[in-house]
Amino acid sequence: GQQLNQSPQSMFIQEGEDVSMNCTSSSIFNTWLWYKQDPGEGPVLLIALYKAGELTSNGRLTAQFGITRKDSFLNISASIPSDVGIYFCAGSTFGNTPLVFGKGTRLSVIA
Amino acid sequence: GAVVSQHPSRVICKSGTSVKIECRSLDFQATTMFWYRQFPKQSLMLMATSNEGSKATYEQGVEKDKFLINHASLTLSTLTVTSAHPEDSSFYICSARDPWTSGPTDTQYFGPGTRLTVL
Repeated sequence: GQQLNQSPQSMFIQEGEDVSMNCTSSSIFNTWLWYKQDPGEGPVLLIALYKAGELTSNGRLTAQFGITRKDSFLNISASIPSDVGIYFCAGSTFGNTPLVFGKGTRLSVIA
Repeated sequence: GAVVSQHPSRVICKSGTSVKIECRSLDFQATTMFWYRQFPKQSLMLMATSNEGSKATYEQGVEKDKFLINHASLTLSTLTVTSAHPEDSSFYICSARDPWTSGPTDTQYFGPGTRLTVL
């Protein structure tokens, strides 16, 4: 099925560094969602974006809904060890259509 | 955010037996729930869309007679893996759509997942 292009696939960073990851699509979405998944757990919603151009923050996390509605990015500032995990972007259209997921970005933080 | 629970969190069964996994929305009513399967180091793969009071919609390649889905109420959907085989071993995750979330489209919340191991 359809899948979003998410990059990078993995990142190794030092504690305290900022992180940026993004997702692109060939089609338009009306909602962009960012999730974090810890090992053996289900994804947890971090940020939901509903309008093109929207910039939303959740603590040290900031995400933006691209103006073309075909992309989104997630930034994490001043990373800490508990930021380790897999981050997934997901796109949604109107109605009861399923989410389309990216392949995930695996983040490792070196203390 | 909204809370979705899954039960059991882990299950080990013998080949040929059936296993039922429950997905519940705890603080909201979900007309639509989704079932995913996830292999190690991979993204979530949608198996089916579960609609309250009607038949589930299965994705291409997912056997509906093997993965039975029942969405009998607005807070409960069940996935039954029938005649399980070792290749069915995986991490199964459900999500529920909260129709009252602000915004033009609904936001999905995920359960904690169920690790199925078939011996």
